[in-house]
Amino acid sequence: GQNIDQPTEMTATEGAIVQINCTYQTSGFNGLFWYQQHAGEAPTFLSYNVLDGLEEKGRFSSVLSRSKGYSYLLLKELQMKDSASYLCAAMDSNYQLIWGAGTKLIIKP
Amino acid sequence: DTAVSQTPKYLVTQMGNDKSIKCEQNLGHDTMYWYKQDSKKFLKIMFSYNNKELIINETVPNRFSPKSPDKAHLNLHINSLELGDSAVYFCASSQDLERGIQETQYFGPGTRLLVL
Repeated sequence: GQNIDQPTEMTATEGAIVQINCTYQTSGFNGLFWYQQHAGEAPTFLSYNVLDGLEEKGRFSSVLSRSKGYSYLLLKELQMKDSASYLCAAMDSNYQLIWGAGTKLIIKP
Repeated sequence: DTAVSQTPKYLVTQMGNDKSIKCEQNLGHDTMYWYKQDSKKFLKIMFSYNNKELIINETVPNRFSPKSPDKAHLNLHINSLELGDSAVYFCASSQDLERGIQETQYFGPGTRLLVL
């Protein structure tokens, strides 16, 4: 079956760095997405990886290892506004997104 | 300029009623989606649709039906609403289902459905 695993909740301190992990199992693979979802709002796109390696976008970076079925999202210089859920989603061979349940990130002062 | 819009934002209704949720995208995208996000925050795909193909998640009850009057709209009609249908429903769109590269989906604001 197809499956996405990510931690349910994480806590970090303002100004620090946090890494959110995601492992995936899909029928075929056409890339790995990270989305941010604030409470009561729609998911918004953060990053996309299809090849092994690092994608950087400002304070956010995402890394993919296809051989390990693994990705992580790295958030640097954490700000209070980064408190949100972070959703990992893998695209299968039918170009359908398989979503994780999301990791709720709590930022403390 | 709203990229993906949904109406209504909130919908409270009684069991057994029939309701529709509207979705419009002004991005010129070819593919639109409906997702259900339950209380556990899982995003579950319900339908994906472009002008060529409707893909239905087989777990979706046939009380749910998508209707697309044109490429920019994909409405969700729900018959005989049940308590378990209470959730947030998100519409989304992307450029091309089959392009396979950077298929970023853009989400609407969500419709919070509560069935009493």
